[in-house]
Order: sequence, then structure tokens, then C-alpha cells
Amino acid sequence: KQEVTQIPAALSVPEGENLVLNCSFTDSAIYNLQWFRQDPGKGLTSLLLIQSSQREQTSGRLNASLDKSSGRSTLYIAASQPGDSATYLCAVRDQTGANNLFFGTGTRLTVIP
Amino acid sequence: GAGVSQSPSNKVTEKGKDVELRCDPISGHTALYWYRQSLGQGLEFLIYFQGNSAPDKSGLPSDRFSAERTGGSVSTLTIQRTQQEDSAVYLCASSRGLLGTDTQYFGPGTRLTVL
Repeated sequence: KQEVTQIPAALSVPEGENLVLNCSFTDSAIYNLQWFRQDPGKGLTSLLLIQSSQREQTSGRLNASLDKSSGRSTLYIAASQPGDSATYLCAVRDQTGANNLFFGTGTRLTVIP
Repeated sequence: GAGVSQSPSNKVTEKGKDVELRCDPISGHTALYWYRQSLGQGLEFLIYFQGNSAPDKSGLPSDRFSAERTGGSVSTLTIQRTQQEDSAVYLCASSRGLLGTDTQYFGPGTRLTVL
């Protein structure tokens, strides 16, 4: 069964810093990997989706990379802002026949003004 | 356009009671998912609907859990004889149903508390 791990579980940084969140997965046979953000009491907001054939995706200050062979993805956030404070989740859609996303437990990010 | 909506936003019930949670997916999305997020744990897949195909129920934790999707749109997740360990946030998501290219769009969730 696919297992997704996110490190660190929590991270605090001062405003303006660049930061990297890490995600690893055990089965490299995936269709895609998706990064989400979750605010307290809210649902998930999709940030970036990387197809298995791609190596990275960018949206504004966010850049996600994918190294499928090593089972790793990173989410890079440039010039962090207090509004970036949230829990960030990565999830993979794999090729085992499962119809669902496999989620990590998330990284709780706090950006300190 | 409207996103995925869920109701109620919060539900408090007593152990042993039945509950129904509702999900309205994005119009035109053929795929619908239910997940559960327990405190301190990742999202756990429960059930998946795709068009008129038989649902994938492989994630349902027990036979107390069931779900329906009427008319290929609205879905209801039913939990019978609720237990305290059922307390969690139940999230619904929908997508266009295109394997490999899907982006799943999530609703705000229903927070279920079983006393």
C-alpha cells in the first residue's frame, strides 16, 4: 500500500524567508502528485498538481518539484508571508488501481510577522 | 462558479445514533470521493463514485458506513450506530473523472462529534 510521509510535521519561519516542504512516497508508480493547503476549519485548496511525466510546476511564489524515481517531492515557497500560514498536504494518485488519493499527514507552517 | 458544498458543517450526536452527511459536488463532475480526517491523522479514503459504475467501497471502515449518490450528483454518507471513534472531519471531493489528470476539489467538510 502506498505510504506518504511529510517532513517536518511543523515549521515556523520569520516573514520573508524562503522555505521547502518535503514529501516522500513509497511506490513510484504514480499518475500524479498534488499539493494542497488546509486552513483551520476549512477544506483543502489545491495548489499545484504535477503529472508523473513532469518534473516541476510553478504558481506565483510556489514551486513544486517531483522526482518520481526516488519517490520525493518538494514544495518551495518564496518570500513567505503570514497569510501562508496553514497546513500543507501532499497526496499521490498511484497506478495500483486505487481510485483515491493517498495523503501525507501534513506540515503545519507558521509564518511569523 | 460554485464549489463543492457539504452539510451540515458541524454535527454533534450521541453514541448509537445514526447520522447523514450530505455532499453537493461541482456541477458536471462525474467523480465523487469521501474522505475522513481524524485528529492528528492524515486523510483516509472512504468511498469513490464514478458515473454510473459500481462505487469503490474499499475504504469504508465497517458495515456501519454506507453512501449513496443519487442521479449522479448529490451524495449522502450514512453512519449507523455511531461510535466515539467515528468523530472526525468528513470531507467530500469531486473531479471531472479523468484518470491521471484529475484535480480533486474539496468541500469544507462536516465536523462530526460523537459524545
